[in-house]
Amino acid sequence: AQTVTQSQPEMSVQEAETVTLSCTYDTSESDYYLFWYKQPPSRQMILVIRQEAYKQQNATENRFSVNFQKAAKSFSLKISDSQLGDAAMYFCAYRSANSGYALNFGKGTSLLVTP
Amino acid sequence: DAGITQSPRHKVTETGTPVTLRCHQTENHRYMYWYRQDPGHGLRLIHYSYGVKDTDKGEVSDGYSVSRSKTEDFLLTLESATSSQTSVYFCAISFSVSYEQYFGPGTRLTVT
Repeated sequence: AQTVTQSQPEMSVQEAETVTLSCTYDTSESDYYLFWYKQPPSRQMILVIRQEAYKQQNATENRFSVNFQKAAKSFSLKISDSQLGDAAMYFCAYRSANSGYALNFGKGTSLLVTP
Repeated sequence: DAGITQSPRHKVTETGTPVTLRCHQTENHRYMYWYRQDPGHGLRLIHYSYGVKDTDKGEVSDGYSVSRSKTEDFLLTLESATSSQTSVYFCAISFSVSYEQYFGPGTRLTVT
């Protein structure tokens, strides 16, 4: 199974500032999908953003954007103009386009947003 | 919100008892999944279904079985619960394998 690594167990950002969460993955495949999910204290898993590996353009969703570096197998999430409601656990996930059905998750990064 | 519900939302049971968790969707999605979430492990796939009566094992399937007799329902059964199965269980659905997965609210199961 592909390995997804989130090297930052915890991060902190001040309101209105920008923060970047790191994610690297290990794969020999060329076609796959990458995702960031947010899990607030309510426990609900919420899709934040999705990236197809064949697309060179980095995905963006409002204040959320990714820096996808395919050769480096890196997929970081940038949150701009951080808000208190962004405080949550963030999970990076990988899914093969050609085999299997599972999302392979990293262990998560806990983001604290301070006023 | 994707139309996914899980029941029960919380359950405490004793070791050795059978437990069934239910996932219900109103989206008519073909694919359904069961994950468990444990501290330090993220989410791991238990079983998945790619159609009515079509299921297969995931990474951590030992001790679990599933059934899907209708498109909208996907059941996860612990035949004889053990303390190692104390976890939060999430159901997810997707329109196709290339689409993102949407998650239910989760079920917290405690096995004493």
